[in-house]
Amino acid sequence: EIVMTQSPATLSVSPGERATLSCRASQSVSSSLVWYQQKGGQPPRLLIYAASTRATGIPARFSGSGSETEFTLTISSLQSEDSAVYYCQQYKDWPTFGQGTKLEIK
Amino acid sequence: QVQLVQSGGGVVQPGTSLRLSCATFGFSLSSYGIQWVRQAPGKGLEWVAVISSDGSYKNYADFVKGRFTISRDNALNTLYLQMDSLRIEDTAVYYCAKMHSPGSYFDYWGQGTLVTVSS
Repeated sequence: EIVMTQSPATLSVSPGERATLSCRASQSVSSSLVWYQQKGGQPPRLLIYAASTRATGIPARFSGSGSETEFTLTISSLQSEDSAVYYCQQYKDWPTFGQGTKLEIK
Repeated sequence: QVQLVQSGGGVVQPGTSLRLSCATFGFSLSSYGIQWVRQAPGKGLEWVAVISSDGSYKNYADFVKGRFTISRDNALNTLYLQMDSLRIEDTAVYYCAKMHSPGSYFDYWGQGTLVTVSS
């Protein structure tokens, strides 16, 4: 099983600033990585697939980067509606998820 | 418009059974694999099971293997998760999710259904 580890567990950022979320895989997943956003009581929403491609309708302030074992989700110019839990997931093998990063807007 | 609409959750006692349904709309179900993912209260996401587009391939996470059965009826555009011998630790919100392509990521999710196993 490929273990996904996200950091930090919680991130508090002011509106208009940049947030950087990290995800590490226990072995190479190439670019087979997605990022989801989950708000309270809602299902996850696909943000980024193939490590760096924004899903349909996702604002340009969301960007993904990385490959192999190290990945980053960057949210530039944070807005209040970006407050959520963010999960990474690999699909190189049977899907496994990171434990999530809770993003708080100050 | 792609939609996955779930039903069938509830409160059950340990050792009993429950069947979840996932009705799909806006796409040809017979062309896509579907997975079930669960989320225990306050916890992260956990993969449960997968079924291929034609139903010929199924696989399960070890913690449900032998207890849960995934199936589909493409004519009814509906997926099912039969959950038997339920345990307290199966308490979670269960999501069905459409796969973008075989072995790929989930591009659309159902709204989730809560299963509570309690004595």
